[in-house]
Amino acid sequence: GAGVSQSPSNKVTEKGKDVELRCDPISGHTALYWYRQSLGQGLEFLIYFQGNSAPDKSGLPSDRFSAERTGGSVSTLTIQRTQQEDSAVYLCASSQRTGPYEQYFGPGTRLTVT
Amino acid sequence: TQLLEQSPQFLSIQEGENLTVYCNSSSVFSSLQWYRQEPGEGPVLLVTVVTGGEVKKLKRLTFQFGDARKDSSLHITAAQPGDTGLYLCAGAGSGGSNYKLTFGKGTLLTVNP
Repeated sequence: GAGVSQSPSNKVTEKGKDVELRCDPISGHTALYWYRQSLGQGLEFLIYFQGNSAPDKSGLPSDRFSAERTGGSVSTLTIQRTQQEDSAVYLCASSQRTGPYEQYFGPGTRLTVT
Repeated sequence: TQLLEQSPQFLSIQEGENLTVYCNSSSVFSSLQWYRQEPGEGPVLLVTVVTGGEVKKLKRLTFQFGDARKDSSLHITAAQPGDTGLYLCAGAGSGGSNYKLTFGKGTLLTVNP
């Protein structure tokens, strides 16, 4: 079946612009996660959704970052007024239910802020 | 804040050699997962270990969870070029935070033919 998909795969933007990153989880997966992977760093947790609610936003680096999920499916991560330090690969993952269960990752969106 | 230290950060070996990757923390995790990531792709789960002292084998890969559930190791026997990739360990929080994974920085393994 279809895995987690993310779009765009690559995004180059100028400093100060806003960007939207999209994640389509596996159908039926109720939990959705966003991570950021920077060069030399591990995966950094950003936010977790259960259905359309985000009970844990503790990893969002600043108020320039926001995310939403609609219909218990698609999620969008928005970064406003991008900065060069926002350059990273943004990964989305989904799992069937909440808990320490297998998370299925998408291929990521590589964001470059110039 | 829970931290996971992985070592070594880089490993380059010849086909047929054995290797061990370590994942250490001062924190206790409810479970620990190992992922493998290839360039341009997301991580793929290899195994989850839950019980202290647990050992799991996946073909030539052996995973061990420490007795105190603070550390883990991945041992690969007779490595092959197809084993090349970034290996990540991830610890799950406890209780209501058991969905939250803390990742190590990874071990980049290159197996040369």
